[in-house]
Amino acid sequence: ELKVEQNPLFLSMQEGKNYTIYCNYSTTSDRLYWYRQDPGKSLESLFVLLSNGAVKQEGRLMASLDTKARLSTLHITAAVHDLSATYFCTAALYSGAGSYQLTFGKGTKLSVIP
Amino acid sequence: NAGVTQTPKFQVLKTGQSMTLQCAQDMNHNSMYWYRQDPGMGLRLIYYSASEGTTDKGEVPNGYNVSRLNKREFSLRLESAAPSQTSVYFCASSEYGTAFSNQPQHFGDGTRLSIL
Repeated sequence: ELKVEQNPLFLSMQEGKNYTIYCNYSTTSDRLYWYRQDPGKSLESLFVLLSNGAVKQEGRLMASLDTKARLSTLHITAAVHDLSATYFCTAALYSGAGSYQLTFGKGTKLSVIP
Repeated sequence: NAGVTQTPKFQVLKTGQSMTLQCAQDMNHNSMYWYRQDPGMGLRLIYYSASEGTTDKGEVPNGYNVSRLNKREFSLRLESAAPSQTSVYFCASSEYGTAFSNQPQHFGDGTRLSIL
């Protein structure tokens, strides 16, 4: 059974500061996704990480994957209020017939304060 | 582009009532999924359909049934609703095959279901 743990679950940070969200998963999974969810809204895909050492960046967010450590990180640089949201780490496990099941972490609720 | 469309957006039921949540996607995706989201729990997979004509149980299938009506549509049915099924339900879709893994799942806007 694939388990995904995110840390921290709640994060309050000041604008302009840097911080990292950590995501550990329990069994082999070489497909890792990060999603963003605003309150009352759907999930928006941020990053797809497919291989060991993968690093992707979009604006102030950078995600990385270390499959040997079973660890992914989401780094926030110079936070701004618009980044306030809940971020989910999601690991994929092949379920046959070309389909993957996603296991979600509990999410990290990020609040960026002035 | 509509993407993944879920209906209804909100619903209140009484315990024991039945209802069907509808989901349709216009991206020609083969795989479709139903999740529920509860506070502090992330999303948990209820059922999925890898391709038209197939369905499989996810992590929390008890109390639910699904139907893959055609390639576009995947419905979730609650036969006898219980208060424990109060949740936000999300439908998602994705491409099929080895190339699929490069693409994320695309989510609908959710159905907020309350069972009294």
